[in-house]
Amino acid sequence: DAGVTQSPTHLIKTRGQQVTLRCSPKSGHDTVSWYQQALGQGPQFIFQYYEEEERQRGNFPDRFSGHQFPNYSSELNVNALLLGDSALYLCASSFGTYNSPLHFGNGTRLTVT
Amino acid sequence: GDSVTQMEGPVTLSEEAFLTINCTYTATGYPSLFWYVQYPGEGLQLLLKATKADDKGSNKGFEATYRKETTSFHLEKGSVQVSDSAVYFCAPSENRDDKIIFGKGTRLHILP
Repeated sequence: DAGVTQSPTHLIKTRGQQVTLRCSPKSGHDTVSWYQQALGQGPQFIFQYYEEEERQRGNFPDRFSGHQFPNYSSELNVNALLLGDSALYLCASSFGTYNSPLHFGNGTRLTVT
Repeated sequence: GDSVTQMEGPVTLSEEAFLTINCTYTATGYPSLFWYVQYPGEGLQLLLKATKADDKGSNKGFEATYRKETTSFHLEKGSVQVSDSAVYFCAPSENRDDKIIFGKGTRLHILP
């Protein structure tokens, strides 16, 4: 049973560029949440997708956008990259919308130069 | 808004010592409470959870009790092992909107 898979594992981009990160949820899961984790910090909630719609959003600018596909996989897009966007981006999947524990992928390490 | 405060690390203990990592939260609703753990080189994984007041979550010898009156969810283990060395995150979730927020994490080092 495959868990949450994220791609790519590492990515280097230049300031001002755009990036797309991808996530496949654990089998049987229908909800995908995205988090940003800076070095030495806890994960910060970006947004959550359920039934192909953004259900809730954290305190991140509109440069951060996402999408969920009919097969429940998801993408995170970041436009106009800033140096401060360098972080580990975590995808987490869960089943349903009621206090379901999150299952995390290993993340995508994004470095903006 | 909702927030969570947990003990700052790093915490260094000898093997077989008693562990407590404090966690307190603020929430407008009735949160479920989680502890997640990140072992070296691995992804975040659920350690234990409690969904209502006075519930006790337990796993791998770790325990935490949902204390509504003190809005706390302290993590405890009676006898830690070297393999418990990891970063531990306290994470409450609002019933209403299911968003899970994370504390800053507590790094635990267990010495043999």
